[in-house]
Amino acid sequence: EDQVTQSPEALRLQEGESSSLNCSYTVSGLRGLFWYRQDPGKGPEFLFTLYSAGEEKEKERLKATLTKKESFLHITAPKPEDSATYLCAVQADGNQFYFGTGTSLTVIP
Amino acid sequence: NAGVTQTPKFQVLKTGQSMTLQCAQDMNHNSMYWYRQDPGMGLRLIYYSASEGTTDKGEVPNGYNVSRLNKREFSLRLESAAPSQTSVYFCASILNLNWNYGYTFGSGTRLTVV
Repeated sequence: EDQVTQSPEALRLQEGESSSLNCSYTVSGLRGLFWYRQDPGKGPEFLFTLYSAGEEKEKERLKATLTKKESFLHITAPKPEDSATYLCAVQADGNQFYFGTGTSLTVIP
Repeated sequence: NAGVTQTPKFQVLKTGQSMTLQCAQDMNHNSMYWYRQDPGMGLRLIYYSASEGTTDKGEVPNGYNVSRLNKREFSLRLESAAPSQTSVYFCASILNLNWNYGYTFGSGTRLTVV
């Protein structure tokens, strides 16, 4: 069964304390892995797409990496404005998208 | 600003009532989707329209119907609302399935069925 699992469910960091969020997946035929950011009361906002193992993408304090089984979203020296829920989604063969349940990140000043 | 517009933003229904959620995009995207988001469940696909004139069921289609009115608009109808349909509903669009930038989501409709 195709599945996407994100961990941890929630993460509290001090401002400047770097950490990583994990997205592990079991799908038949990965076509792409997507990271989104979702602020309370809003729709998810696209961050990155990764297509193959070893690929990395960066945006400001965020860096996404991909292996054959999982993806990591690394947050370097986070700021309070990075507080949000981060969603991972996988596009599999057949063009179905599978979403994880997200990691709720809180950055404390 | 360009994007996906959903109406209404909030709605309270009584069990058995019907309603239609509206979605419109102005990015000339070909594919449109309806998802529901529930705590601990992630986003689940209800219906999608890969292109104008086509619609297909997703993971949780029971109790819903859709209409792709034209390339811009994709509506979701609840014929007889049930408390289990209390959720946040998101419409999303994508240029095509090879689009590198993923979905563009609307801001959601928060529906409560009492």
